[in-house]
Amino acid sequence: DAGITQSPRHKVTETGTPVTLRCHQTENHRYMYWYRQDPGHGLRLIHYSYGVKDTDKGEVSDGYSVSRSKTEDFLLTLESATSSQTSVYFCAIQGDHYGYTFGSGTRLTVV
Amino acid sequence: AQSVTQLGSHVSVSEGALVLLRCNYSSSVPPYLFWYVQYPNQGLQLLLKYTSAATLVKGINGFEAEFKKSETSFHLTKPSAHMSDAAEYFCAVSVGDMRFGAGTRLTVKP
Repeated sequence: DAGITQSPRHKVTETGTPVTLRCHQTENHRYMYWYRQDPGHGLRLIHYSYGVKDTDKGEVSDGYSVSRSKTEDFLLTLESATSSQTSVYFCAIQGDHYGYTFGSGTRLTVV
Repeated sequence: AQSVTQLGSHVSVSEGALVLLRCNYSSSVPPYLFWYVQYPNQGLQLLLKYTSAATLVKGINGFEAEFKKSETSFHLTKPSAHMSDAAEYFCAVSVGDMRFGAGTRLTVKP
């Protein structure tokens, strides 16, 4: 989507390794979010940020950490990847009128 | 905390038929409500949103939704389904952060 990009788009990693996913925005929005999408669960919030170095946990934050050192970048780290973290990860930014704009997603497979 | 429930994980309609996707919400304060659509291997796109103005909200691609406070519902409708409407649809509620329903996969039969 225009203004928000995620990298990588696909990744396969081994159990126990750290993994970092990147979300980059060009819109200068304050709020950024990380969700995971799993069949039957919709999207569940992992962490969110409301400014540089200001982050908070969502409903499924265990095993994940985030960092935001610049307005445009929001990083999601899986400290020690497990098979239960195989998922599609979406980053979102909150724009005008409370709507979110989503990135194209990162498909992560932990083997 | 706020939440949404989407009734029916799969809905199948014939091309030209009415589309009705159901969503009920729970919130202790007046919520903002949203419908998003997701096509295969893509992110979510905003269809429409309710932010306490008109209760009947019109969105893109001929979709609309009506906010009914008494029923705590925000059902999505389209009068005539098109093959291109086949996708997964998510209802979401926002009071602070946004919470999503589990999704409804819409199939359109020719």
